[in-house]
Formats: sequence, structure tokens, C-alpha cells
Amino acid sequence: DAGVTQSPTHLIKTRGQQVTLRCSPKSGHDTVSWYQQALGQGPQFIFQYYEEEERQRGNFPDRFSGHQFPNYSSELNVNALLLGDSALYLCASSPGQGATEAFFGQGTRLTVV
Amino acid sequence: AQSVSQHNHHVILSEAASLELGCNYSYGGTVNLFWYVQYPGQHLQLLLKYFSGDPLVKGIKGFEAEFIKSKFSFNLRKPSVQWSDTAEYFCAVNEDRNAGNMLTFGGGTRLMVKP
Repeated sequence: DAGVTQSPTHLIKTRGQQVTLRCSPKSGHDTVSWYQQALGQGPQFIFQYYEEEERQRGNFPDRFSGHQFPNYSSELNVNALLLGDSALYLCASSPGQGATEAFFGQGTRLTVV
Repeated sequence: AQSVSQHNHHVILSEAASLELGCNYSYGGTVNLFWYVQYPGQHLQLLLKYFSGDPLVKGIKGFEAEFIKSKFSFNLRKPSVQWSDTAEYFCAVNEDRNAGNMLTFGGGTRLMVKP
């Protein structure tokens, strides 16, 4: 049973560019959340998708957007990249909307230069 | 907005020493509480969780945590640590029963266990 998988594992982008990160949830999971983990800090919630709609959003600007596909996989898009967007981006999945534990992927390390 | 505080950023212990990592949260309503661990090079994994019932929760690998509502705390403990417990530990809170996997994390505690 595959867990949460994310791609790519590492990415280097230039300031001002756009980036798309991808996530496949654990089998049987339909709720996907994205987190940003800056170096030396805990993960910060970006947003959550369920039934292909954004259901919850953290304190992140509109440059951060996402999408969920019918097969429950998800994308995180970041436009107009800033140096401060450099971080580990984590995807988490879980079944349904009830409060439950999150299963995390290995993350995508984004470096903005 | 709720927040989670982890008091110790770095902890160094010798093997067989006892461990207690502090976690306090700010939300006054009903919360669900979690401890996650991140071993070097691995993904975040759940150690234990508290939703309701017995405030003393036992998790994997000999870890336990106690929920003290009056102190807004959920401290993690282990009687005797091993070298393999070297990792970063995160406390997390979910305040909304319909918010799925939306979590607020603390800043993390990096534990190093000396052999």
C-alpha cells in the first residue's frame, strides 16, 4: 500500500518564476492538505482540498493556489516566487472531513534563487 | 487563532535517560492533540494522538503523553530513551472536528540521544 507520494523531491527555481508541486494521497484517502515547512520551523498549513474544492485555508497569499483532481491527487501552485518561498512543502492526506490524523509525504524541497 | 508552543528547541540526552518534551496550546475550546516525529531523512510520522477519554495516551515505541486541560498542555514522555529516538518532535493541534487533517504545529524539538 503506497503512502503519500510527492514529486519532485527537489526543485530549484528563480525568483519571479512559477512552480507546480504534485501529491498522490494514500490509498483510500480523499482529503489532501498542503503545508510549508521553513528551515528550523514547524509545518504551517497552507490549504486543504476535499471533493475537488478548497475547504480550509491558512494565512498564505493568493500566489499560493491549488487543485484537486477526481482521483484525489492534488497540485500546489506558487506564482511570482520569492526568496522566502524556499522551504520544504509537505502534502498530507486523510479519509473524509472528520478530524483525524494526517499521513505525510516526504515533501518537495523548493529552493528559490 | 490558536498557537502551539514547544518550550525546548534542542534537547541532548544520554541513552537510558528519561525524556519529557513540553507542549502548550492557546485554544480554549475542544481540541484534538497529536505528537509527530521526523527521523532524519524520513517523513513525519504519528507517535500518538488524543481525541477524548483517558488523558494519558500511549503511543508507539514506548512514548506516552498526558493531556492536562487546565494547563492547556500535552507533554510527551518516555522513561528511557534510545539512540534511535534521535529525531525532531512536533506537537500539533486540530481545533475543528470537521476540518479533517488541518493541523497547527509547534516549532519542533530536536532531540539528540548520545550512545
